[in-house]
Amino acid sequence: DVKVTQSSRYLVKRTGEKVFLECVQDMDHENMFWYRQDPGLGLRLIYFSYDVKMKEKGDIPEGYSVSREKKERFSLILESASTNQTSMYLCASSFRVSVNNSPLHFGNGTRLTVT
Amino acid sequence: GQQLNQSPQSMFIQEGEDVSMNCTSSSIFNTWLWYKQDPGEGPVLLIALYKAGELTSNGRLTAQFGITRKDSFLNISASIPSDVGIYFCAGQTGNQFYFGTGTSLTVIP
Repeated sequence: DVKVTQSSRYLVKRTGEKVFLECVQDMDHENMFWYRQDPGLGLRLIYFSYDVKMKEKGDIPEGYSVSREKKERFSLILESASTNQTSMYLCASSFRVSVNNSPLHFGNGTRLTVT
Repeated sequence: GQQLNQSPQSMFIQEGEDVSMNCTSSSIFNTWLWYKQDPGEGPVLLIALYKAGELTSNGRLTAQFGITRKDSFLNISASIPSDVGIYFCAGQTGNQFYFGTGTSLTVIP
């Protein structure tokens, strides 16, 4: 079974703090994604990565950055956390589409609260 | 990004009833996916569909990939209390995924 592991289930941070959300997958997937999920707004793509050291902006990249130094790990960074970044953050991964029919597999989510 | 039209938005049903929900898009997709999400958890993949017209079952769940490639439906037969949650669809084109707005299912024992 595919396993996507997010390092924290719940985080509480203060405004202005630098926040790191970590995600690791064990299926050798090329693609990794970070989404945030808010009531009434659904899933919105923050950043994605097709390969090590590659990153692409999604729909809402402002206030976020990412790092992909190893294939299995994709980190989301909030440079200076703000209260409007309080949300559920979901990491996901998949094979590159040319390799396989590959659905998206999600982690368990990190509920971040910024006070 | 594009959001898919998913209906109904919510359903309240009696235990034992069948459930049907669907997703439509203005775009063609190569893959349709259906997920279930419990409160506070990440979405779990239920069914993946890869060919237009494909009908796939997973236990009491059945899903179909529409012929036009612009729609998909999910049926749940003989619902049970643990079916409670939010169900949402996703369409894939290339390496990108687009998501439905979700159907909240409540099963009344």
